[in-house]
Amino acid sequence: GAVVSQHPSRVICKSGTSVKIECRSLDFQATTMFWYRQFPKQSLMLMATSNEGSKATYEQGVEKDKFLINHASLTLSTLTVTSAHPEDSSFYICSAREVSASLGKNIQYFGAGTRLSVL
Amino acid sequence: QKEVEQNSGPLSVPEGAIASLNCTYSDRGSQSFFWYRQYSGKSPELIMSIYSNGDKEDGRFTAQLNKASQYVSLLIRDSQPSDSATYLCAVRQTGGFKTIFGAGTRLFVKA
Repeated sequence: GAVVSQHPSRVICKSGTSVKIECRSLDFQATTMFWYRQFPKQSLMLMATSNEGSKATYEQGVEKDKFLINHASLTLSTLTVTSAHPEDSSFYICSAREVSASLGKNIQYFGAGTRLSVL
Repeated sequence: QKEVEQNSGPLSVPEGAIASLNCTYSDRGSQSFFWYRQYSGKSPELIMSIYSNGDKEDGRFTAQLNKASQYVSLLIRDSQPSDSATYLCAVRQTGGFKTIFGAGTRLFVKA
């Protein structure tokens, strides 16, 4: 079945550095990908919707200069956490939507998530 | 009032029973509603989406939407121990680009 690969699964970095997280759809083309974050024992928060070839749409309250999203191809979206600080430590999850009008498909698949720890 | 409310549970049901999960929302103009399942330590997975009033069935899952009363529910028939997880309700609000997630309901299906 369709798979979304997210890399890395875990990253530890120093405060002030930037971290890039990749999200790939492995056997389908995803014109739309989503980025979420989740704090421990809390619910998901949609950060942004990433559209191939255009700028990402950020949710209210999410700093677009802090969380840079690039969706350069139909199978790859990246999230870069710039100048990371301890409060950015979280579980980041990407999701890719597979749409096929001919097959009547509109399914959203999730990556395994990236656990970011900023020291 | 929280924008999307769910009972945190845990909701405990015996194997084979119907599990009923409820969610209420405050934005009356919301149009899109989703149910996700998340196993502990794992990413969530979308299991149902519903956009119009009434019922939508998919296998053992039925989503029910009542916009007038501002609630959406998820029924799981013939519950299995493998259904034990946290179920998240999500509502996409009107007039913006914001999807609000509920805090989730923990479901425990006893064998």
